[in-house]
Amino acid sequence: SAVISQKPSRDICQRGTSLTIQCQVDSQVTMMFWYRQQPGQSLTLIATANQGSEATYESGFVIDKFPISRPNLTFSTLTVSNMSPEDSSIYLCSVRTVLNYGYTFGSGTRLTVV
Amino acid sequence: DAKTTQPPSMDCAEGRAANLPCNHSTISGNEYVYWYRQIHSQGPQYIIHGLKNNETNEMASLIITEDRKSSTLILPHATLRDTAVYYCIVAGNMLTFGGGTRLMVKP
Repeated sequence: SAVISQKPSRDICQRGTSLTIQCQVDSQVTMMFWYRQQPGQSLTLIATANQGSEATYESGFVIDKFPISRPNLTFSTLTVSNMSPEDSSIYLCSVRTVLNYGYTFGSGTRLTVV
Repeated sequence: DAKTTQPPSMDCAEGRAANLPCNHSTISGNEYVYWYRQIHSQGPQYIIHGLKNNETNEMASLIITEDRKSSTLILPHATLRDTAVYYCIVAGNMLTFGGGTRLMVKP
């Protein structure tokens, strides 16, 4: 399966600032996704990152707050903009491989906003 | 994507088989059943997936009913390290997570 490198693994940020999270995959993948996991909760899909075009956002998530880039088949970034304490969560990158149609997850970015 | 129903929690004795049920009565013909688990604060780990046939790998077995409206994940010999939240997901092009089952393996 694909190996995902997600950076940073954790960060503590001031409210009002922005953080960009990187997701690097060791092989070309068909689809890349970004999830949020709030404390004690399940995972919620933020958006599908599309190569060379705007991401597809799920209900409740907007591009101004969570801009996403995917310049090629192996790399994507998620920015959490104008952060507030409510944005404190784990953010996870996920990819769908071509070979076996499975989905692989990164280890996540634990974000704390103070 | 179809929704799933899982018990919120289950206990299992170490060394015994853990059978985790999942209902997915609205599953459509092209949707797979996936199982993932999440051990505290880590990214979800893939366990197994299937379409309509039963599947087995080194981690677990997946039993899907003939009508595909429910499935069971079987961990044949649970260990303490299998304590985790287990998610059953039916998916076409993306994974939508429900609440999962918190499995506690006890000595």
